[in-house]
Amino acid sequence: DTEVTQTPKHLVMGMTNKKSLKCEQHMGHRAMYWYKQKAKKPPELMFVYSYEKLSINESVPSRFSPECPNSSLLNLHLHALQPEDSALYLCASSPGTRSSTDTQYFGPGTRLTVL
Amino acid sequence: QQPVQSPQAVILREGEDAVINCSSSKALYSVHWYRQKHGEAPVFLMILLKGGEQKGHEKISASFNEKKQQSSLYLTASQLSYSGTYFCSGGTSYGKLTFGQGTILTVHP
Repeated sequence: DTEVTQTPKHLVMGMTNKKSLKCEQHMGHRAMYWYKQKAKKPPELMFVYSYEKLSINESVPSRFSPECPNSSLLNLHLHALQPEDSALYLCASSPGTRSSTDTQYFGPGTRLTVL
Repeated sequence: QQPVQSPQAVILREGEDAVINCSSSKALYSVHWYRQKHGEAPVFLMILLKGGEQKGHEKISASFNEKKQQSSLYLTASQLSYSGTYFCSGGTSYGKLTFGQGTILTVHP
């Protein structure tokens, strides 16, 4: 089973709202990732969690706050977002923490619209 | 610095072949290929770990020339299901994948 699940599938929020995106995997993977993808662009890495610890933050604005409560779960907390933050947010996981040898498996994504 | 893919778009008829190229100015530890259909998640196709490595899966194969930091994805006897955006991505040692800009492949009946 190589499934990564994400909820919700779609989210519409105002600029003053607080919302959260959720990602789950039950493959025993030790690394989890958040990516942002704008239309017709490649995914851009936001955060990497390795063994439940934040290992990479790609200079993401503080209005995005990641959390990894356990090895199977990854959240992305959203607060005071801007319309330009509207995008597809993808979660991925990999068995280990070295992308040179590990495959990342992607979830279906959350389509976020900020009004 | 992201890998550069060429061509940007390809249009094929069913049964035709295509090659998508990926090159990097940075040394790559590995090359990963993904296909993404509209509105869906990227789906892993294959990973090439060593220079000169070639891999194949049914009618889709790939090669990696480590010396030139180039990889190519070969699609033979294309099917309608091959349509989508193909991304190559370069792997580093610390968990980061950098994706190319993508190649849009359209297969017509």
